Amino acid sequence: KAGVTQTPRYLIKTRGQQVTLSCSPISGHRSVSWYQQTPGQGLQFLFEYFSETQRNKGNFPGRFSGRQFSNSRSEMNVSTLELGDSALYLCASSLALTGAEAFFGQGTRLTVV
Amino acid sequence: KQEVTQIPAALSVPEGENLVLNCSFTDSAIYNLQWFRQDPGKGLTSLLLIQSSQREQTSGRLNASLDKSSGRSTLYIAASQPGDSATYLCAVRLDAGGTSYGKLTFGQGTILTVHP
Repeated sequence: KAGVTQTPRYLIKTRGQQVTLSCSPISGHRSVSWYQQTPGQGLQFLFEYFSETQRNKGNFPGRFSGRQFSNSRSEMNVSTLELGDSALYLCASSLALTGAEAFFGQGTRLTVV
Repeated sequence: KQEVTQIPAALSVPEGENLVLNCSFTDSAIYNLQWFRQDPGKGLTSLLLIQSSQREQTSGRLNASLDKSSGRSTLYIAASQPGDSATYLCAVRLDAGGTSYGKLTFGQGTILTVHP
């Protein structure tokens, strides 16, 4: 059974550009969450999607957005990149919205120069 | 606001030792608690999930306990091996009136080094 797949694994972008990251959850999982991991802040919740609807959102600026498609695949977009957006972006999928075990992908390492 | 603290921040032990990692959280109204390990530059691997109604979960050499009322969880690793070296993270999911949603609040992690 395939795990959570995130693409691309590595990205280098320039300040001011925008970027789109992709996450394919485990087959049958309908809940997808996104997290940002940095050495200083640790793991911070970005947002969660279930059945194509955003159910929960963390405390990030509006430059961070996401969506979920009918096949449960999710994308997140960051516009007008800043140096501080350099981080490991992790996606997690769960079978259901409530109380299910979260499974994480390998992450996308974004470097903004 | 839920805050999760993990102690110690780092731990170095010789191979074969039994060890305990600690996790505490400020809001006891949690839906569940999950322990993960993370290898450098990699994603998170789920180790154990404990629902709020449970007291402990076991998987192989790992045992996790949960005391919701005191806001504490421990991860016990028996007979540690060099391959156990990684960062261990605990995360709690808040109980929002019977539903949890997906948000996990993480601790800062414990960096474990097991030397031969």
